[in-house]
Amino acid sequence: AQSVTQLGSHVSVSEGALVLLRCNYSSSVPPYLFWYVQYPNQGLQLLLKYTSAATLVKGINGFEAEFKKSETSFHLTKPSAHMSDAAEYFCAASNSGGSNYKLTFGKGTLLTVNP
Amino acid sequence: DSGVTQTPKHLITATGQRVTLRCSPRSGDLSVYWYQQSLDQGLQFLIQYYNGEERAKGNILERFSAQQFPDLHSELNLSSLELGDSALYFCASSVETDYEQYFGPGTRLTVT
Repeated sequence: AQSVTQLGSHVSVSEGALVLLRCNYSSSVPPYLFWYVQYPNQGLQLLLKYTSAATLVKGINGFEAEFKKSETSFHLTKPSAHMSDAAEYFCAASNSGGSNYKLTFGKGTLLTVNP
Repeated sequence: DSGVTQTPKHLITATGQRVTLRCSPRSGDLSVYWYQQSLDQGLQFLIQYYNGEERAKGNILERFSAQQFPDLHSELNLSSLELGDSALYFCASSVETDYEQYFGPGTRLTVT
């Protein structure tokens, strides 16, 4: 069964510092991979996705992620954190074929940005 | 705004009761997914419907059921509610050939 692991339930950075949120997947076949952001009391918003095209994926709000098959990783980065980036981030995986693309989520990483 | 709507936003009910959560997908989306978000279990897939038919099931309890209607809106029915069913319930939609899911704002269910 597919699984997603997010290392670090809470990451704290200073404004302007690099943001690095870690995600590893476990799947015999490379899945489609996603990063979602959830602001307090809101739904999930898609930041970016990997679907077997370019391994470096750029998303919204200056975020990007790199798919590394050898490391089964899909870490999320942003060069310079803004206060508005404070939120919970979820890594998710889905099957890369067939007709069911149900998402398997990691436990989430809460990002705090300090002034 | 993702274009997916969910009602109600909040729901408070007692143990043993039954509730219905409603989801309207984005215009043109044929697939609807239901997810449960709780503190102890995180975000979990419950069930998927595609164009009115059940397509996949996840960790959905037998007390829970869902359906998708001809106008493509979906309802999630939760019965014999227990305290542990308190959670955020999200609906997401996608087109058939697209894996990208758009999430609604969720329904927060509190069982007292």
